[in-house]
Amino acid sequence: NAGVTQTPKFRILKIGQSMTLQCTQDMNHNYMYWYRQDPGMGLKLIYYSVGAGITDKGEVPNGYNVSRSTTEDFPLRLELAAPSQTSVYFCASSYPTSGKHTDTQYFGPGTRLTVL
Amino acid sequence: EDQVTQSPEALRLQEGESSSLNCSYTVSGLRGLFWYRQDPGKGPEFLFTLYSAGEEKEKERLKATLTKKESFLHITAPKPEDSATYLCAVRPTQGGSEKLVFGKGTKLTVNP
Repeated sequence: NAGVTQTPKFRILKIGQSMTLQCTQDMNHNYMYWYRQDPGMGLKLIYYSVGAGITDKGEVPNGYNVSRSTTEDFPLRLELAAPSQTSVYFCASSYPTSGKHTDTQYFGPGTRLTVL
Repeated sequence: EDQVTQSPEALRLQEGESSSLNCSYTVSGLRGLFWYRQDPGKGPEFLFTLYSAGEEKEKERLKATLTKKESFLHITAPKPEDSATYLCAVRPTQGGSEKLVFGKGTKLTVNP
């Protein structure tokens, strides 16, 4: 299993450009997440999905869009890039559990995005 | 408001010098507390999940413990390859699987 994979690893955008960050998981996880990590800050949830066709906003969704057409893929779209979106973006996935134990999120390697 | 505070922000140790990292949390109820390791330029790597006060888990030189207000990550006789940023996260009882509150991390450097 490759786990969670993300492309590209690095990207530089100009203000106003758009791009899609790709995320794929091969663990058959229902749940998928997008986070951003800024220097000296904790990970912040952007969007999440509990299954194909179902997405919802996280803590910091403004300026982003997502879709989930398959179990495996969860792309993140930036429509009009702004300098405030310079960050490292992580995709994660998990399998829902019930009872005492709670599901664990597994992370991809990240995409480092710079907006100039 | 749910909060996670990790201390210290950075820690330098000599190889073999044992120490502990702290994660204090404020949540209405705890479903689980997670420890992750993050190497530079990489994504967080899962280490442990703890569920209730008094619980302990071990992996090689790492041992995680949990009380009602905080968790400790004890590192025994660390090696340079243990150098990384260690992240703590809590899942409150209020909210679904998406609700994971992260601390800012402790950057550990182990010198040979």
